[in-house]
Amino acid sequence: EAAVTQSPRNKVAVTGGKVTLSCNQTNNHNNMYWYRQDTGHGLRLIHYSYGAGSTEKGDIPDGYKASRPSQENFSLILELATPSQTSVYFCASGQTGRDTGQLYFGEGSKLTVL
Amino acid sequence: QQKVQQSPESLIVPEGGMASLNCTFSDRNSQYFWWYRQHSGEGPKALMSIFSNGDKKEGRFTAHLNKASLHVSLHIKDSQPSDSALYFCAGMSNYNVLYFGSGTKLTVEP
Repeated sequence: EAAVTQSPRNKVAVTGGKVTLSCNQTNNHNNMYWYRQDTGHGLRLIHYSYGAGSTEKGDIPDGYKASRPSQENFSLILELATPSQTSVYFCASGQTGRDTGQLYFGEGSKLTVL
Repeated sequence: QQKVQQSPESLIVPEGGMASLNCTFSDRNSQYFWWYRQHSGEGPKALMSIFSNGDKKEGRFTAHLNKASLHVSLHIKDSQPSDSALYFCAGMSNYNVLYFGSGTKLTVEP
């Protein structure tokens, strides 16, 4: 089965601090995504990537940066964390073509910003 | 930007009953529609897709798509306690970006 691994699974950060959430996929998928999940909002897209070296802005990119140094790895960076960024973050991978729209999600990273 | 209206927000059905979930999409470029399911403490997992108008049945689950109204529904027959989860509808347009609804929390009571 397709595998997406996120780290850390839990993180407590201070306001103004830098946070990096990492994601690794072994599916050899071209596309990778970062979503955040908040009650009442579902899954909202922050950044995504079509391949190594590419990053695109999603619906809520403000306050977040993304980095895709390789096919397997996709990071989400919060340079100056704020309490409003307290959330559960999910990374996903997917491939264009057959089963378009089938994403494989990691287990999530719970971030608390104090 | 795609907007997805999902209803109801929460749903309680008795074991053996029928659960019905609904979504409406705003982006006329949407072509591919999915239902995802998320159990507590886990990441969402793809449940089933529907790309053509009409019904698609997979076991106890039936998805329905009306492209003209951009309406998608999911019906779960003979609901089981193990079906209790958060369900999301999702749609994708031309840019390989999947947009999700706000979710329906389904509880199946024994």
